Amino acid sequence: DSGVTQTPKHLITATGQRVTLRCSPRSGDLSVYWYQQSLDQGLQFLIQYYNGEERAKGNILERFSAQQFPDLHSELNLSSLELGDSALYFCASSVAIGTGSDTQYFGPGTRLTVL
Amino acid sequence: AQRVTQPEKLLSVFKGAPVELKCNYSYSGSPELFWYVQYSRQRLQLLLRHISRESIKGFTADLNKGETSFHLKKPFAQEEDSAMYYCALINYNQGGKLIFGQGTELSVKP
Repeated sequence: DSGVTQTPKHLITATGQRVTLRCSPRSGDLSVYWYQQSLDQGLQFLIQYYNGEERAKGNILERFSAQQFPDLHSELNLSSLELGDSALYFCASSVAIGTGSDTQYFGPGTRLTVL
Repeated sequence: AQRVTQPEKLLSVFKGAPVELKCNYSYSGSPELFWYVQYSRQRLQLLLRHISRESIKGFTADLNKGETSFHLKKPFAQEEDSAMYYCALINYNQGGKLIFGQGTELSVKP
């Protein structure tokens, strides 16, 4: 167990809908990262937050947004869902901003299925 | 551009045989490299990172800057090693995001 928690574990929804994925980092970690894992694209970085502020952005669609709250948990919002958004969404956390010996620890993921 | 390449999609070996999972990278600067393992599409678990030079579950990896490689090795494979293995590098220029290779599925046959 990495100490990173994600809810829900599974999510099944329809096209056009909106969902929210939640992540709680390890105790003491200030950075949260979101990744998407799909069969065709592999593991792709979406976005990073550090202590409440957006730190880096990757291949995140405009329909997706995220935020990190004062208690450091993070939410990833996916809207106007399409079939191609079906994937495993992982959250990871690290102590600092990803430099030096900082290591990212991953949560169990949320499996999103869009029908 | 920063990139990680794992040329083998699938590697199949017999129990007790040596294993080498290949990873090549492209990065301007001093790279920080990691190996993650994923069992049955569950959470990604850190296997090892090059700066710690440690051996986990019998696996080792050496950074070769000349060949821009970070191959994962184990002298004697076990059936429980069967999993997906991802090589990744950390991109400091973009907040510390991990750039992953496409992964190699290791299958260890009895």
